[in-house]
Amino acid sequence: DTGVSQNPRHKITKRGQNVTFRCDPISEHNRLYWYRQTLGQGPEFLTYFQNEAQLEKSRLLSDRFSAERPKGSFSTLEIQRTEQGDSAMYLCASRHGGEGDEQFFGPGTRLTVL
Amino acid sequence: GQNIDQPTEMTATEGAIVQINCTYQTSGFNGLFWYQQHAGEAPTFLSYNVLDGLEEKGRFSSFLSRSKGYSYLLLKELQMKDSASYLCAVRSLSGGYNKLIFGAGTRLAVHP
Repeated sequence: DTGVSQNPRHKITKRGQNVTFRCDPISEHNRLYWYRQTLGQGPEFLTYFQNEAQLEKSRLLSDRFSAERPKGSFSTLEIQRTEQGDSAMYLCASRHGGEGDEQFFGPGTRLTVL
Repeated sequence: GQNIDQPTEMTATEGAIVQINCTYQTSGFNGLFWYQQHAGEAPTFLSYNVLDGLEEKGRFSSFLSRSKGYSYLLLKELQMKDSASYLCAVRSLSGGYNKLIFGAGTRLAVHP
C-alpha cells in the first residue's frame, strides 16, 4: 500500500454512460497525476495538478474527459459518454515536489465499457 | 518526438543476474526512473538516475548514459517474486512542467 487510494477499484458500464473516479493522494503531496494504462503498455500521461491547479493536459484527453482537484487534496476524473476504447486501467499518482521525488501510484480503477 | 524502447519479454533463472535495457529519445530529459509492476497492481518505484553512472540499491542497480540515451536495470540473485513488468520512464521537462513518459515495459519471467 503506497498511501494513494482510488475508488472504485473496478467499474463496468455500458457505452454512453458517464463514470467518475476518485483519487486520494498522500496528504502532504501537492502534485497529482492521472494516467491510463492498457494491457501490455506502460502508463500514458493524461493530466497533472499542482495543488488545485490543472497545469497540463495530454492530447489524449478528449472533450469527454474532465478532471478536478477542487481543494488541492482528492481529485476526480470523469468520462462522459463512455466508448469501448475507454476501457483501461486508470492510475492516479502523487508526489511531494522535490527534484528526485518519485511518484507514488494508487492501485488503479479498472474500467470496462460494454 | 518521444520514444522509449525496451525489450518486450525476458526470461531468467532463479539466483541468476538479468539486465534490462532501455533506450530513449526524448526532449527535455530530466531524469530516468525504473518501476516494477506486478500483474494487476500499481507500479512501484525502484530507482532514479539523473546523472551518468550506476546507482545501487540492494539487489537492484540502475545505470544511465545521457549521451547515449541509454539506461539499464540490473537485478541480481533473482527470486521468483521478481517476476513482473519493469517500466523505464523518462522525466521530460516541457512547458515548464515535468512529466513521466513510460516505455511499454519488459515482462520478466523468473523460473526455477
